[in-house]
Amino acid sequence: DQQVKQNSPSLSVQEGRISILNCDYTNSMFDYFLWYKKYPAEGPTFLISISSIKDKNEDGRFTVFLNKSAKHLSLHIVPSQPGDSAVYFCAASAWSGGSNYKLTFGKGTLLTVNP
Amino acid sequence: GAGVSQSPSNKVTEKGKDVELRCDPISGHTALYWYRQRLGQGLEFLIYFQGNSAPDKSGLPSDRFSAERTGESVSTLTIQRTQQEDSAVYLCASSLGTDPEAFFGQGTRLTVV
Repeated sequence: DQQVKQNSPSLSVQEGRISILNCDYTNSMFDYFLWYKKYPAEGPTFLISISSIKDKNEDGRFTVFLNKSAKHLSLHIVPSQPGDSAVYFCAASAWSGGSNYKLTFGKGTLLTVNP
Repeated sequence: GAGVSQSPSNKVTEKGKDVELRCDPISGHTALYWYRQRLGQGLEFLIYFQGNSAPDKSGLPSDRFSAERTGESVSTLTIQRTQQEDSAVYLCASSLGTDPEAFFGQGTRLTVV
């Protein structure tokens, strides 16, 4: 039972254009969502997050949008740069009692930004 | 260092041998995760420790896999009688129990030959 789904295994965009990475979730208890970026041979690094009380969070070139009714979130990268080429993981967490934010990850989307 | 540290960074082992992977979380982080990523696959959850609560072992793929954590410090992931399908990068992450953001180590690349 995959609770966090990234249905596009890969995405290719031209430098300077917008990259849109999508993520769907099934668990309505999820209340916090995160995006991680992973380069080969490195661990994932945190990129941006959003709480379920918001529908948008922006940090520089990166914006995350949350549509709770559709259980869908997306990461927009504008403008895309070749250095953004990496695997992007969507993650979600739910308050499961006490101080407990267990993270559930999607399978990732490989973004390739072509010069 | 201030980050999550994993050792060894690379491990090659013969099929059937036992291996032990180590994770040193960020000091003060009460939550600790183990994930693995097989070639061409996504992050597969293995086990989650949070403070003194019973660990969530729901992701362990078989009884050959086990993990321990003493208090809020080091964790070890043990794989007994390794099989070739165990070959993967094993990632450890830690977080403050009150904050969802998890910080990952560099991973241990395990190759079973």
